[in-house]
Amino acid sequence: ETGVTQTPRHLVMGMTNKKSLKCEQHLGHNAMYWYKQSAKKPLELMFVYSLEERVENNSVPSRFSPECPNSSHLFLHLHTLQPEDSALYLCASSQAWTSTDTQYFGPGTRLTVL
Amino acid sequence: EDQVTQSPEALRLQEGESSSLNCSYTVSGLRGLFWYRQDPGKGPEFLFTLYSAGEEKEKERLKATLTKKESFLHITAPKPEDSATYLCAVQTSGTYKYIFGTGTRLKVLA
Repeated sequence: ETGVTQTPRHLVMGMTNKKSLKCEQHLGHNAMYWYKQSAKKPLELMFVYSLEERVENNSVPSRFSPECPNSSHLFLHLHTLQPEDSALYLCASSQAWTSTDTQYFGPGTRLTVL
Repeated sequence: EDQVTQSPEALRLQEGESSSLNCSYTVSGLRGLFWYRQDPGKGPEFLFTLYSAGEEKEKERLKATLTKKESFLHITAPKPEDSATYLCAVQTSGTYKYIFGTGTRLKVLA
């Protein structure tokens, strides 16, 4: 595997379900990101982890819970979601958070909340 | 407030018809400007980084330029495989976050 991978690629869940999104980066980077992409809206930064420590939380509802067990893996735990949470969730990584290093994106997880 | 605006929202070109996409920004200070290409159902793919006014970068049929207020992505003699959404993002001097525009959806017709 190369680059940034995400699983699953598609997810359909009910409002009462609990699910998790997984991201893995094979680039040796130290920073990882979760973004939300909704139709006709700019990418919205949700969370940033630098060296496994959360450094940014952009006022994201508590029904989204991130986890970064090591610098290569990032999870987004989902529970009690709303239909408006349906979107493409993108993971990205960069060499460092506090730099102008390029962010590289995974393919995304298309989430549908019924 | 820091802001990034891309235009046009959508663009249809005939194969071989050159054109430019615009990314204008209003930020307190610029660390870098990034261009990405995104195909349907996929994540953004990195194209270019520009750091200072006057800088230019080229890759195949694409050329990115930067001024103090905007960036252009010039597409020369496009092909159908250039069809995608092109995203622009800026990183401001006050923060390390990327601020994205809403993108330009490009369709190149054979």
